[in-house]
Amino acid sequence: AQSVAQPEDQVNVAEGNPLTVKCTYSVSGNPYLFWYVQYPNRGLQFLLKYITGDNLVKGSYGFEAEFNKSQTSFHLKKPSALVSDSALYFCAVRESYIPTFGRGTSLIVHP
Amino acid sequence: DAGVIQSPRHEVTEMGQEVTLRCKPISGHDYLFWYRQTMMRGLELLIYFNNNVPIDDSGMPEDRFSAKMPNASFSTLKIQPSEPRDSAVYFCASTAGTSGSSYEQYFGPGTRLTVT
Repeated sequence: AQSVAQPEDQVNVAEGNPLTVKCTYSVSGNPYLFWYVQYPNRGLQFLLKYITGDNLVKGSYGFEAEFNKSQTSFHLKKPSALVSDSALYFCAVRESYIPTFGRGTSLIVHP
Repeated sequence: DAGVIQSPRHEVTEMGQEVTLRCKPISGHDYLFWYRQTMMRGLELLIYFNNNVPIDDSGMPEDRFSAKMPNASFSTLKIQPSEPRDSAVYFCASTAGTSGSSYEQYFGPGTRLTVT
């Protein structure tokens, strides 16, 4: 069975500083990995995905994520955080047609 | 494309009443998912359809919940009778599935249900 863990309920970072939101996964085969963002009163919005190839994936709004097979991790990163990045971030894994979502990490970027 | 459309955006009803949530997926997407989001339980998959056929409804909490997809452009989630513990935000999402599970999901804006 597939699973995903987001170990931090909340991440606080100052504007302009780099940010990392952590995600680890467990699958029996090759994973498809996704990051989504949810702004208040909105649905989840796709940010980026890893399917195969380069371990560093670039996505929307300057976000990127690094796939690390040995550590079974797919951490979300951004070199310089913006206040507008404050939102709820979800990691998801798909080994079959049904995705499994993490519980979400609330990112708070302070001015 | 307008994206995934859900209606209503907000629903307030009294316990015991029937509630119907509606979803229009993105044209051409052949998978449709219904989710429920609460603070306590996070994002839960309730049911999903492939080509209008329900594939897995193991996430549906109980018999009070039912979902249909009469055609490729419309799905409903019905709760009858509703209870206060059903209060949550309900999301519909769709995705293309032609080449497997590598496609991302597109979520609607959600319906915030409050049962008093």
